[in-house]
Amino acid sequence: DAKTTQPPSMDCAEGRAANLPCNHSTISGNEYVYWYRQIHSQGPQYIIHGLKNNETNEMASLIITEDRKSSTLILPHATLRDTAVYYCIARTSYGKLTFGQGTILTVHP
Amino acid sequence: EPEVTQTPSHQVTQMGQEVILRCVPISNHLYFYWYRQILGQKVEFLVSFYNNEISEKSEIFDDQFSVERPDGSNFTLKIRSTKLEDSAMYFCATGLAETQYFGPGTRLLVL
Repeated sequence: DAKTTQPPSMDCAEGRAANLPCNHSTISGNEYVYWYRQIHSQGPQYIIHGLKNNETNEMASLIITEDRKSSTLILPHATLRDTAVYYCIARTSYGKLTFGQGTILTVHP
Repeated sequence: EPEVTQTPSHQVTQMGQEVILRCVPISNHLYFYWYRQILGQKVEFLVSFYNNEISEKSEIFDDQFSVERPDGSNFTLKIRSTKLEDSAMYFCATGLAETQYFGPGTRLLVL
């Protein structure tokens, strides 16, 4: 699985968009970019994933660069409940998820 | 919305004892996984299971660990002889296609 690099921490004001970057310069053609988050010690929560195209769902948007070497997760209107550790993971279909340290996002009032 | 459930939520055991952690997957899911997270550390992959056999396992998943689907529904992780270092949160994840959905975890404490 390709290695991903994320900033260790980020802050965001409540109500503003949170943009979380991820670098995955060695991603291979059959690897998807997945985003999960973990709140305290709860089970990781799936957010979104994509291969080449930008994706949007009810939780977030995923922007993948054309060369697929980096991506950005966008939480359009962050709330206090979005405070969590966010993981960007490159993975083939059905394969294991390899978690890194992730980005600690703190949403403040 | 369907969820992965795990039992028990907490388990305390003595070193050397056997423990069985149980997971009820989302109905019709075909792919099953176990992960663990030692306090303060990363989530680590243990094993994946598909079509009634292990498809991949990590170095952590040694002979002390085993998995099965005894009744075609529950998915279990057995640790035969627990060690202090097995203390962790154990997460089950299940999937039908590309996405894995995690359960809430079982907190295992080995004394």
